[in-house]
Amino acid sequence: DTEVTQTPKHLVMGMTNKKSLKCEQHMGHRAMYWYKQKAKKPPELMFVYSYEKLSINESVPSRFSPECPNSSLLNLHLHALQPEDSALYLCASSQDRFNEQFFGPGTRLTVL
Amino acid sequence: AQSVSQHNHHVILSEAASLELGCNYSYGGTVNLFWYVQYPGQHLQLLLKYFSGDPLVKGIKGFEAEFIKSKFSFNLRKPSVQWSDTAEYFCAVNGPSSGSARQLTFGSGTQLTVLP
Repeated sequence: DTEVTQTPKHLVMGMTNKKSLKCEQHMGHRAMYWYKQKAKKPPELMFVYSYEKLSINESVPSRFSPECPNSSLLNLHLHALQPEDSALYLCASSQDRFNEQFFGPGTRLTVL
Repeated sequence: AQSVSQHNHHVILSEAASLELGCNYSYGGTVNLFWYVQYPGQHLQLLLKYFSGDPLVKGIKGFEAEFIKSKFSFNLRKPSVQWSDTAEYFCAVNGPSSGSARQLTFGSGTQLTVLP
């Protein structure tokens, strides 16, 4: 299995809602990542988990809260988002911090 | 912090034309280099990678890239493009960011349009 899966594919939420994005991989990778991608732009790194510990938080607002319950799962909890947070949220994983990252299909988030 | 530059924002070619997309990076130490492709409506896929060894690397779908250390460059090439190569191409560099933590830094991307 060489896939990174993400759910849901699409999410529409109001500014007062709480929702979560989920990511899963079964490649035995020990590093997992959250990226934000706006249209026609490159992915921007948000968070990095290495061996289930948060190792990078790229000054992301606290309305985004990551969680790594185990080595295969990565969640992104969303609360009180703003319309400018609307974007494609990508999850990726890699064997370690040096190797190539495998990307999931993303969750298309719209904040109303 | 490292930076990655892709000089061509939009490239338009006819089928069978040759392709070269430029990529330069700023960090002078040890880096791992990648080209990713994002086809319309699809997720990012790895085209090829360079870690060490032969500076000319071959990837999927007939793509290749050459690492030139002295020029801090990792240009992507394909001898003959097809309509199906229409996509966004991202160069990415894995190296130290602030402090010692390594992270993947993407270039701004090049939109390739191949006309049939």
